[in-house]
Formats: sequence, structure tokens, C-alpha cells
Amino acid sequence: DIQMTQSPPSLSASVGDRVTITCRASQDISNYLAWFQQSSGKAPKSLIYAASALQSGVPSRFSGSGSGTDFTLTISSLQPEDFATYYCQQYNSYPITFGQGTRLEIK
Amino acid sequence: QVQLVQSGAEVKRPGASVKVSCKASGYTFTNYYMHWVRQAPGQGLEWMGLINPSGGITIYAQRFQGRVTVTRDTSTSTVHMELSSLKSEDTAMYYCARAGTGTVDFWGRGTLVTVSS
Repeated sequence: DIQMTQSPPSLSASVGDRVTITCRASQDISNYLAWFQQSSGKAPKSLIYAASALQSGVPSRFSGSGSGTDFTLTISSLQPEDFATYYCQQYNSYPITFGQGTRLEIK
Repeated sequence: QVQLVQSGAEVKRPGASVKVSCKASGYTFTNYYMHWVRQAPGQGLEWMGLINPSGGITIYAQRFQGRVTVTRDTSTSTVHMELSSLKSEDTAMYYCARAGTGTVDFWGRGTLVTVSS
């Protein structure tokens, strides 16, 4: 199975900050990488697919980059609704696997 | 608009089975795979498997092989996930999630399954 490792596990930031979350795959996954956001008590929401393509309706302050084994999710200017847990996911091969999550908290 | 409406919460005894349903609307049911993902309390997301509603082909995570069965009913645009031989560790929120653009693009709200004696 492909292991997905996110860093940091948690992050404190303020409204307006720029933040970056990284995700590393244990082997080459090309660009088959997605990012999801999960607010407390809610279902996940899809943000990004193919490493850098925004899902419909996702604000442009979210961006993704990377290929191969190293990927990043960047939020350019944090908004109050962005404080949540973020997960990366590889879908290059089965079983599909997720990172352990990065909890983004208000400083 | 796309909707995935899941069945209600369940409480089961260890050793029992549970069947969770996910009714899709707002799109062509057979054009999109459906995934199942679970989340134990306070934990991360875990992929269980998927179904191609067009032909009914399924792929399961190895760790659930033999215990999970995903089926679809094209007449009602509904996908079902049955998990058998339940253990306390199966207590979790179970999500169905539509796959477009190669991977999941829309999630159901989840069904809480509690396994307790």
C-alpha cells in the first residue's frame, strides 16, 4: 500500500495568514493526488484533484502543487471558515489511501 | 444539484451485519463510481471500496475483503454497503462519496454505525 505522510500534524495560524501543508507519498503517484477539507462534525469536502485542479466552487485562495512524491496545499489568505482538518489522498493505485490529516487551528 | 442521501444511524451487536444505503440524485447515476470511506471517532479517513454503478464491478480494500459487499440498484439510483461480522472497532461514520474527475468530488453526510454489546 502507498503510505501518505502529511506535515505538520497541526498548525496554528491567524486570519489572513498564508499557510502551506505538505503531503509525501511513499512511492511515485504522478499527479493522482487530491485534497479534502473537513470541518468539525461535518462530512469532508473535496478541494483539489490531480494535484492542482480546483473542484468546482472552491475559492481561488486554495492551490495545490507537486508531482511524483511531494505535494503541497496552500491557502493564500486564511478565512475563518478555513479552520478545519485537511487530508491528502492518493488515487494512483488501490487501495486508495489518505494522509493522517493536518488540523488547522486559530492562533 | 447533486445529492447523496444516506440512511439513518444504526446500532448493532458484535457479530451482526449492517447495511448502509446511499441514494443519489441530480446526476446520471451510472456515469460516476461510488466510493465508501469510513471514519472512526477522532480518527482519519479510511477507504473501504468502490463500485462502478454501470456494470456493478467492485474493488475493495484488502483489509475489508470478505466482510464488505457493495451493491447498486440502478432502478432507484441507490448504492448499498453491507459490512458483516461487526466488531467494536467498526464503530465509525460511514460516508458514500461520488467519484468524478478521477477521484471523489462529492460526499454524502455520513451514517453513524455503533457496534456495542
